[in-house]
Amino acid sequence: AQSVTQLDSQVPVFEEAPVELRCNYSSSVSVYLFWYVQYPNQGLQLLLKYLSGSTLVKGINGFEAEFNKSQTSFHLRKPSVHISDTAEYFCAVSRTGTASKLTFGTGTRLQVTL
Amino acid sequence: GAGVSQSPSNKVTEKGKDVELRCDPISGHTALYWYRQSLGQGLEFLIYFQGNSAPDKSGLPSDRFSAERTGGSVSTLTIQRTQQEDSAVYLCASSSRGAGGRETQYFGPGTRLLVL
Repeated sequence: AQSVTQLDSQVPVFEEAPVELRCNYSSSVSVYLFWYVQYPNQGLQLLLKYLSGSTLVKGINGFEAEFNKSQTSFHLRKPSVHISDTAEYFCAVSRTGTASKLTFGTGTRLQVTL
Repeated sequence: GAGVSQSPSNKVTEKGKDVELRCDPISGHTALYWYRQSLGQGLEFLIYFQGNSAPDKSGLPSDRFSAERTGGSVSTLTIQRTQQEDSAVYLCASSSRGAGGRETQYFGPGTRLLVL
């Protein structure tokens, strides 16, 4: 079984400041890693994913994440946030090699203010 | 192309009634998933369908919940004798296998269910 931990339930940040949203996972098998964003009253939108290869992955809206196998982490970063980045962010994992359900973290609410 | 669509977007029902939620996956996607998002439980997997294989029902919380997928496309999630704890947003996702068996799930906007 897999599990995902997002330690920060809320992250307040000023506009144009950098931000890091933390994600750690636990799994006995190889996994794929994902970050999804959810804007109010909307579904989940894929931000980025790590399937294999380079451990630094770039996604939409200027976000990037780095897979660290030894620390079982997949933290999300953005060098300069915008008001429009205010949303809920979910880290998720799935088993590799086959169609597989996603296991989600509890989410981090990013609140960007002026 | 069109994304995953779900209907209705909102549903209010009385305790004890049955409800049906519908999901139209992205055309050509072979896998379809249902998840539930609630305040107390976060995002939980319910069930998934992969091609013609038997569905993985391991996440269904009780026998009041069932789902089917007709013709490998549209899916319906049915909740019988609804309870107040069933109130949640029900999300559907679909995926297609990329090279090497990799896959990414694309989500619909969800159905917000309120049981009074």
